[in-house]
Amino acid sequence: QSVLTQPPSASGTPGQRVTISCSGSSSNIGSNTVNWYQQLPGTAPKLLIYSNNQRPSGVPDRFSGSKSGTSASLAISGLQSEDEAHYYCAALDDSLNGWVFGGGTKLTVL
Amino acid sequence: EVQLVQSGAEVKKPGESLKISCKGSGYSFTTYWIGWVRQMPGKGLEWMGIIYPVDSDTRYSPSFQGQVTISADKSISTAYLQWSSLKASDTAMYFCARQGDGGGAFDIWGQGTMVTVSS
Repeated sequence: QSVLTQPPSASGTPGQRVTISCSGSSSNIGSNTVNWYQQLPGTAPKLLIYSNNQRPSGVPDRFSGSKSGTSASLAISGLQSEDEAHYYCAALDDSLNGWVFGGGTKLTVL
Repeated sequence: EVQLVQSGAEVKKPGESLKISCKGSGYSFTTYWIGWVRQMPGKGLEWMGIIYPVDSDTRYSPSFQGQVTISADKSISTAYLQWSSLKASDTAMYFCARQGDGGGAFDIWGQGTMVTVSS
């Protein structure tokens, strides 16, 4: 059971906009920033969004993040087949004194 | 190029010891924390712990405290994850990752080391 809660799956058709939610508590998302990672099949995770809504260099602006209270979300617009991957949210947890991840959401592009 | 390169896949028996490595290059290794993340087969990511190579200050997830040891040798820009007595339940992919400047996110990841523990 992960500390951060994500839906196990999401889907969309090419060109659509999809959102993935991440729910936490006051000790993690409520008091710290959220990062998002993308893991393509058989590869290492890649940083997609940091500090709630910042994109590292090279990440397309189709990807955006937001946070409100103890929840965060990742939005992907103009969905492409290469976006098919697992997506994980993460945040520092002040009670656990370390990082916690969501259980991951598998995104399928139909 | 900034990168973390991990040691190769391992196959071990229960009760054996193991030490895997993660070598950083292309940046000042001592300036950034290095974390370890476990991914069991078909499962999600779990943070294990983190080390600051300049002074080996180490923090562990409560779930992994006492189960593994994280260390680093700053002279060769390498971090380590070790077990003294492996269990079948340690079978997993292990990633090292650099904790970068942006909100402490893990911005550079190693390619992963698959550890298989089987009798």
